[in-house]
Amino acid sequence: DAGVTQSPTHLIKTRGQQVTLRCSPKSGHDTVSWYQQALGQGPQFIFQYYEEEERQRGNFPDRFSGHQFPNYSSELNVNALLLGDSALYLCASSLWGGQGTYGYTFGSGTRLTVV
Amino acid sequence: GESVGLHLPTLSVQEGDNSIINCAYSNSASDYFIWYKQESGKGPQFIIDIRSNMDKRQGQRVTVLLNKTVKHLSLQIAATQPGDSAVYFCAENGNRDDKIIFGKGTRLHILP
Repeated sequence: DAGVTQSPTHLIKTRGQQVTLRCSPKSGHDTVSWYQQALGQGPQFIFQYYEEEERQRGNFPDRFSGHQFPNYSSELNVNALLLGDSALYLCASSLWGGQGTYGYTFGSGTRLTVV
Repeated sequence: GESVGLHLPTLSVQEGDNSIINCAYSNSASDYFIWYKQESGKGPQFIIDIRSNMDKRQGQRVTVLLNKTVKHLSLQIAATQPGDSAVYFCAENGNRDDKIIFGKGTRLHILP
């Protein structure tokens, strides 16, 4: 049973560019949440998608946007990259209204470096 | 506001001893807490959770204690092993379908 898959694993971008990160949820899961984890910090919630809609959002600017596809996979887009956007971006999948947080499974993340 | 924090950033424990990792939370309305383990290069891995109507919950070699009076959470790891080396996060989820709020983490070092 495949877990949460994220791509790419590493990425280097230049300040001002745009980036798209991808996530495939665990089989059977329908909800995807994205987190940003700066070095030495805990993950910070960006937003959550269910039924192809953004259900909740954390304290992140509009430069951060996302999308969920009919197959439940998701993308995170960041525009006008800043040096401070350098971080590990984590995707977590879960089952809406079912297993709750027991089903909350994280991927290994995408390490984004902005230079 | 919402915040989940940790008392110590680094903890060194002798192999075979018990480890205790502490966490304080500020949201008195929190009703569900989770401990995660994060190894280098990996995402957070679920260890154990506890609801606010419980004081203690045990798993395999791990125990979580919740003190709602002082808003304190702890993770106890029995007979610590080298494979327990990681960063441990306590996290809060007020609603099982809601976002999870993480603290900063404690790095656990196992001494030979």
